[in-house]
Amino acid sequence: QVQLQESGPGLVKPSQTLSLTCTVSGGSISGGSHYWSWVRQHPGKGLESIGYVHHRGSTYYNPSLKSRVTISVDTSENQFSLKLSSVTAADTAVYYCARDRDGSEIFDYWGQGILVTVSS
Amino acid sequence: DIQMTQSPSSLSASVGDRVTITCRTSQSISNYLNWYQQKPGKAPRLLIYTASNLQSGVPSRFSGSGSGTDFTLTISSLQPEDFATYYCQQSYNTPKTFGQGTKVEIK
Repeated sequence: QVQLQESGPGLVKPSQTLSLTCTVSGGSISGGSHYWSWVRQHPGKGLESIGYVHHRGSTYYNPSLKSRVTISVDTSENQFSLKLSSVTAADTAVYYCARDRDGSEIFDYWGQGILVTVSS
Repeated sequence: DIQMTQSPSSLSASVGDRVTITCRTSQSISNYLNWYQQKPGKAPRLLIYTASNLQSGVPSRFSGSGSGTDFTLTISSLQPEDFATYYCQQSYNTPKTFGQGTKVEIK
């Protein structure tokens, strides 16, 4: 059973970079045709796809965030990471990592989520 | 971006009721429509993918239908554990967008 777990700071100052890591267990991040994604949910709101990375390094980013987002993968650690630069209060959200079945952004496994608050 | 409109935004129902949630898209997406369930404080859970395919481990009381711009999620007999918020998502075109959610509450 694949499991995902987010980690990182829960509080980030405005204008700084939000950095999160997702550790995958129960399966290899390099196995299969899966992509590895980040999705966020603003408090009390709906879901927003941020982007994904493939273990071979290809990436996709939501155009609304593309100028500020970097998603990378570390196959040796079975982890992938999110960096979101120049954050504002509007980036306060629960951030989820998720497995994308095949690049179609159908998310079949999710982490528990981590609340990141942007505040000074 | 493709706009997703779910209706209703919330509903009250009793255990055993048949519940239907609708998702309409701003343009045709063939059958590239997925449904998720989310309980408070938890991550979403994939229920249905490509309109009508039941994800492994999901009870058969959940079903999905539709194509083009109109889709439905049906719960044939609502169970206590089904009280949650349900989201549709289109996986036809980037960025892949979600509906605003339908909250199913206990009557």
